Amino acid sequence: NAGVTQTPKFRILKIGQSMTLQCTQDMNHNYMYWYRQDPGMGLKLIYYSVGAGITDKGEVPNGYNVSRSTTEDFPLRLELAAPSQTSVYFCASSYWTSNEKLFFGSGTQLSVL
Amino acid sequence: AQTVTQSQPEMSVQEAETVTLSCTYDTSESDYYLFWYKQPPSRQMILVIRQEAYKQQNATENRFSVNFQKAAKSFSLKISDSQLGDAAMYFCAYTSPRDDKIIFGKGTRLHILP
Repeated sequence: NAGVTQTPKFRILKIGQSMTLQCTQDMNHNYMYWYRQDPGMGLKLIYYSVGAGITDKGEVPNGYNVSRSTTEDFPLRLELAAPSQTSVYFCASSYWTSNEKLFFGSGTQLSVL
Repeated sequence: AQTVTQSQPEMSVQEAETVTLSCTYDTSESDYYLFWYKQPPSRQMILVIRQEAYKQQNATENRFSVNFQKAAKSFSLKISDSQLGDAAMYFCAYTSPRDDKIIFGKGTRLHILP
């Protein structure tokens, strides 16, 4: 079983470019989350979703957009990439509530130059 | 807004010894959940332990246990008989059913000395 799959694993963007980070889970989980991890800063919540068609902002949503058209997929869109968005991005999911174990993807290392 | 604070950026412990990682949080909720996650060099996040705020009994998972002090809003992780494989970043996290956000602290890097 695949669990939470993130693509790509690595990406280099030029300033001003756009891209979509893909996240798919095959566990029929309702809750999905996007985090960014910067050295010394822990994980910061970007956006989250409690089910298909429902999304909400986290702690650091500026510069990002999400959609949740299906239960399985939760893509993260970066518009007009900036150096400040250089980070490791993690997607995570849980089955029915936020108080359950989170299943994490393996992360996407993004550099904006 | 809820916050999670880990005041120890790095810690070291001798193999087979016991170490305690600190975490404090701020919330006005009475119903919430706390977690410790481990991130080894592989970068994969692993749930270590979970505590429900309405349970007075401290959670335990093998060599890992917590000291949950609800009034003090403190949630420390004790690792007994430390092993080389325990070397990792450890993150404390908080969530409440009211808003479903899961907030993480900045993490503590744990070194195990052979």
